[in-house]
Amino acid sequence: DIVLTQSPDSLAVSLGERATINCKSSQSVLFSSTDKNYLAWYQQKPGQPPNLLIYWASTRESGVPDRFSGSGSGTDFTLTISSLQAEDVAVYYCQQYYSTPPGTFGQGTKLEIK
Amino acid sequence: QVTLRESGPALVKPTQTLTLTCTFSGFSLTTSGMCVSWIRQPPGKALEWLALIDWDDEKYYRTSLETRLTISKDTSKNQVVLTMTNMDPVDTATYYCARTPSYLGAVDYWGQGALVTVSS
Repeated sequence: DIVLTQSPDSLAVSLGERATINCKSSQSVLFSSTDKNYLAWYQQKPGQPPNLLIYWASTRESGVPDRFSGSGSGTDFTLTISSLQAEDVAVYYCQQYYSTPPGTFGQGTKLEIK
Repeated sequence: QVTLRESGPALVKPTQTLTLTCTFSGFSLTTSGMCVSWIRQPPGKALEWLALIDWDDEKYYRTSLETRLTISKDTSKNQVVLTMTNMDPVDTATYYCARTPSYLGAVDYWGQGALVTVSS
């Protein structure tokens, strides 16, 4: 099974500053025939289901603010929040859907305000 | 408007079988490429993908749980059912059903979740 490891486990960032969360896969999630990375990012606030932010590693879901961006390829990926807002406090998960369904999630990164 | 709603018992005893129903609207599981997943989250822990069923009735299960899981669909009722046998306290979690279109790969819509507690 593909294992996703996120870093850090928790992160405190000042309002307006950049937040960066990493996700490392135990094997490549780049599908050569489509040239797409089968990786997504979700945001989960307390008491709510997760919300899709990014898919194909870098495509922003409709309605997601452009301060959220995804990058990376193969085994190393990053979610960046360019200017942290108070409403961005949440737990963030990466997820791969390269392997035979169902896919797997990272362990989560808790983002707080410094 | 896409919606999904989980229903089932809030409390089950150890060794019992859990049956959860996902009732959805706003899309059809007969549409090519459409899939529905079950995903769970133990309290304070990470998400865990359990099972997926697609428009063609192909079924996929988490390897470590596949002997205990069964996913099925009733397209006439817009429902997906998950059964999990031999429940244990470690299976205590919020269980989500989620739309997972194959053209996206990721989950684009989630239900609100159903908390299931396993306790005698």
